[in-house]
Amino acid sequence: DIQLTQSPSFLSASVGDRVTITCRASQGIVSYLAWYQQKPGKAPELLIYAASTLESGVPSRFSGSASGTEFTLTISSLQPEDFATYYCQQIHTFPLTFGGGTKIEIK
Amino acid sequence: QVQLVQSGAEVKKPGASVKVSCKAFGYTFTSNYMHWVRQAPGQGLEWMGIINPSGYSTSYAQKFQGRVTMTRDTSTSTVYMELSSLRSEDTAVYYCARDRGSGRDMDVWGKGTTVIVSS
Repeated sequence: DIQLTQSPSFLSASVGDRVTITCRASQGIVSYLAWYQQKPGKAPELLIYAASTLESGVPSRFSGSASGTEFTLTISSLQPEDFATYYCQQIHTFPLTFGGGTKIEIK
Repeated sequence: QVQLVQSGAEVKKPGASVKVSCKAFGYTFTSNYMHWVRQAPGQGLEWMGIINPSGYSTSYAQKFQGRVTMTRDTSTSTVYMELSSLRSEDTAVYYCARDRGSGRDMDVWGKGTTVIVSS
């Protein structure tokens, strides 16, 4: 199975901060990576697919990039509604796998 | 409006089976595959498998092979996930999620169904 290692697991940040989350795949997955946001008690929501394509309706402060097997999710200016847990997911090979998650909390 | 409506919470005893439903609204049911993902309390997301509502093909994560069955009813636009031989570790929220269609990412999610396995 393809392992996805997310870092950091936990992040404390302030409104307005620029935040970057990294997801490293155990083998090549080209650009078959998605990012999701999950708030407590809610289902995940798709933010980005194909490593860097913003899902419709997602604010432009979210962006994704890829370099080899390393993927990043960047929030350019953190807003109050962005405090949540973020997951990466590889969609290259079955079984689909998720990273362990990154929880962003208010500093 | 595209939405997935899941069945209500379940409490089951160890060894029993549970069948969770997911009814699709607002799009052509057979046009998109459907995934099942679960999340144990305080834990991350775990992919269980996928079903093609059109062709009825399925693919399950090895971890659940032999215990999970995904089915669909095109007349009611509903997919089902049945998990058997339940154990306490199966206590989780179970989500259905629509495959976006040109990848395997998931663009619409149900609200989740809580399954508690307890004696």
